[in-house]
Amino acid sequence: DGGITQSPKYLFRKEGQNVTLSCEQNLNHDAMYWYRQDPGQGLRLIYYSQIVNDFQKGDIAEGYSVSREKKESFPLTVTSAQKNPTAFYLCASSIFKNTGELFFGEGSRLTVL
Amino acid sequence: KNEVEQSPQNLTAQEGEFITINCSYSVGISALHWLQQHPGGGIVSLFMLSSGKKKHGRLIATINIQEKHSSLHITASHPRDSAVYICAEEEYGNKLVFGAGTILRVKS
Repeated sequence: DGGITQSPKYLFRKEGQNVTLSCEQNLNHDAMYWYRQDPGQGLRLIYYSQIVNDFQKGDIAEGYSVSREKKESFPLTVTSAQKNPTAFYLCASSIFKNTGELFFGEGSRLTVL
Repeated sequence: KNEVEQSPQNLTAQEGEFITINCSYSVGISALHWLQQHPGGGIVSLFMLSSGKKKHGRLIATINIQEKHSSLHITASHPRDSAVYICAEEEYGNKLVFGAGTILRVKS
C-alpha cells in the first residue's frame, strides 16, 4: 500500500549530538514537508521540498537541515544547534506544494536527555 | 498575521452524542483542511474543502467563506472517534497554518 514511513518512532539523544529522522514515501508525490508538534501548539513547518534537489526553509528551520536527493526520501537532521529539540516530528507529502490532500507519516518522537 | 483558532480545546462526550468542533481563521484562503490525529500520533486527512459542505460517513465538514469559519460535525459519536481534530487553513499559493487542535474523548 502507498504511504509515508517515518523512522525511528522513538529516539533518545544526548545533548550535543546530531540525529537524523528518516521519511520515505511511495506515493510519487512531488512535495514533502517536515513539521514539528509541541503540546498545545499547532504544527509548525520546519522545511519543505517541492522537487528533488530543492528545499526551502519553513518557519522554524534554525538548527535543522534536510536533503532531497531522491523523490521518495526527505530526511531531517536535528543538529546540536537546535536549542530545544525535544518534540514530535511529522513528515508529510502532497502531490504539489500546498495543493491537495496531505498524507502524514506516523511521526517520530525525539527526546533529548 | 494569520491565526487559526479552534474551539473547544477539550471536549468530552457520551457515546451517541452529536459533536461540533469549530475553526475560525483570519485571512482569505484557498482551502480548509480537517485532520484527525489518533493517539499513536499519526495524522489522517479527513476533509479538504473550499466551499459548502462535505460528508464522509458520520463526519460532516462545513465552511462559510464570508464568516471565515468552518465546523466539523460527528454524528452518533463512538469511543473510536476519540482523537485530536486539527483544522488547517491553506492560503493562496502559500503555506498551511494549523490550529492547536481539539482533544475529543467519547465515553461509552
